[in-house]
Amino acid sequence: QKEVEQDPGPLSVPEGAIVSLNCTYSNSAFQYFMWYRQYSRKGPELLMYTYSSGNKEDGRFTAQVDKSSKYISLFIRDSQPSDSATYLCAMSNSSASKIIFGSGTRLSIRP
Amino acid sequence: SAVISQKPSRDICQRGTSLTIQCQVDSQVTMMFWYRQQPGQSLTLIATANQGSEATYESGFVIDKFPISRPNLTFSTLTVSNMSPEDSSIYLCSVEPGTGRGAFFGQGTRLTVV
Repeated sequence: QKEVEQDPGPLSVPEGAIVSLNCTYSNSAFQYFMWYRQYSRKGPELLMYTYSSGNKEDGRFTAQVDKSSKYISLFIRDSQPSDSATYLCAMSNSSASKIIFGSGTRLSIRP
Repeated sequence: SAVISQKPSRDICQRGTSLTIQCQVDSQVTMMFWYRQQPGQSLTLIATANQGSEATYESGFVIDKFPISRPNLTFSTLTVSNMSPEDSSIYLCSVEPGTGRGAFFGQGTRLTVV
């Protein structure tokens, strides 16, 4: 079993829809949770980070962490074609430890 | 955040040769990381490079194949040695400022071995 599981998609939704991206994990020691966006032929871009459980909102993006269920989510409101990319979840035990990445979900927003 | 410059952005190399990838950061960082991302796959950590000490390699990666230098707090190099087509991949440099606010990545080096 992988430490971090993420549905690879592809996920295709119409412009303006709410997108929900999810990851599950098995290591209860994970404390830091991140979402990265990666456009084709580019490096991953840090989108959101959270520490421990709870929600964090930044513009159209909301990250949720449920440590009791070992489940994290990223919601994108009012999705735009420019949001089309691969989204990677990532997590680590501490600020100085190795980051484990999910396999990434390929998202396409249809105009 | 940190701004990371990585060179070259892409290269096509002959099998049996070596390529050195450079990573320059705009601020001093203790920990730098090298990842590999094979086509359609997620990121796999190759090694962690701390200034002034030997790099720490992950399982499946060895120093003879992927030698790393870390001469100061803003620069590192990764060499892919004796390349084969299986080494064709994107190689990414990353830094984690140690604040628990995530890691930052360079644009990557797209390597094709023919």
